Amino acid sequence: AQSVTQLDSHVSVSEGTPVLLRCNYSSSYSPSLFWYVQHPNKGLQLLLKYTSAATLVKGINGFEAEFKKSETSFHLTKPSAHMSDAAEYFCVVSRDDYKLSFGAGTTVTVRA
Amino acid sequence: EPEVTQTPSHQVTQMGQEVILRCVPISNHLYFYWYRQILGQKVEFLVSFYNNEISEKSEIFDDQFSVERPDGSNFTLKIRSTKLEDSAMYFCASAETSGRGGTQYFGPGTRLTVL
Repeated sequence: AQSVTQLDSHVSVSEGTPVLLRCNYSSSYSPSLFWYVQHPNKGLQLLLKYTSAATLVKGINGFEAEFKKSETSFHLTKPSAHMSDAAEYFCVVSRDDYKLSFGAGTTVTVRA
Repeated sequence: EPEVTQTPSHQVTQMGQEVILRCVPISNHLYFYWYRQILGQKVEFLVSFYNNEISEKSEIFDDQFSVERPDGSNFTLKIRSTKLEDSAMYFCASAETSGRGGTQYFGPGTRLTVL
């Protein structure tokens, strides 16, 4: 079975400062890993995905994540937060099958 | 850019009533999914559907639930007799392929409230 643990339920940053969202995964297979974002009253939008190519994955809106097998981590970062980054972020793991397993989510607030 | 759409955005129903949640996947996608998120809980997988058959379902997806692709564009989730605990946000997703090459694209969700 596969699962993810998002280590922070809430992250608050100032605009222009770096954002770090932490995710650890557990999988008995070589997993596919994703980060999705959900803005208020919107659907889940894919930020980026890792599928065993480059370990540093670049996504949309300046986000990137690094797959570290030795640490079973897939942390999401952005060098400079923008007010529009305020949202809920989900780390997601998938095996080579049909279903995604979601983390509990991290709520990001951005202070002006 | 193509996107997954869902209707209605909010559905209120009485306990014991049947509801049908509708989804229009991205047009060239072949794999379809339903997930749900109970308020304050994780997003949970319900069911996957391919080639007019259920591929996989979770233990949540009991006999009260069914899915159908009634025509070439819609994908529906039916709850036969709703319970209070069915209140949740329901997300539809679609993918062009499955497995490592596939990426699931999600709709905006339908908020179901059972009274």
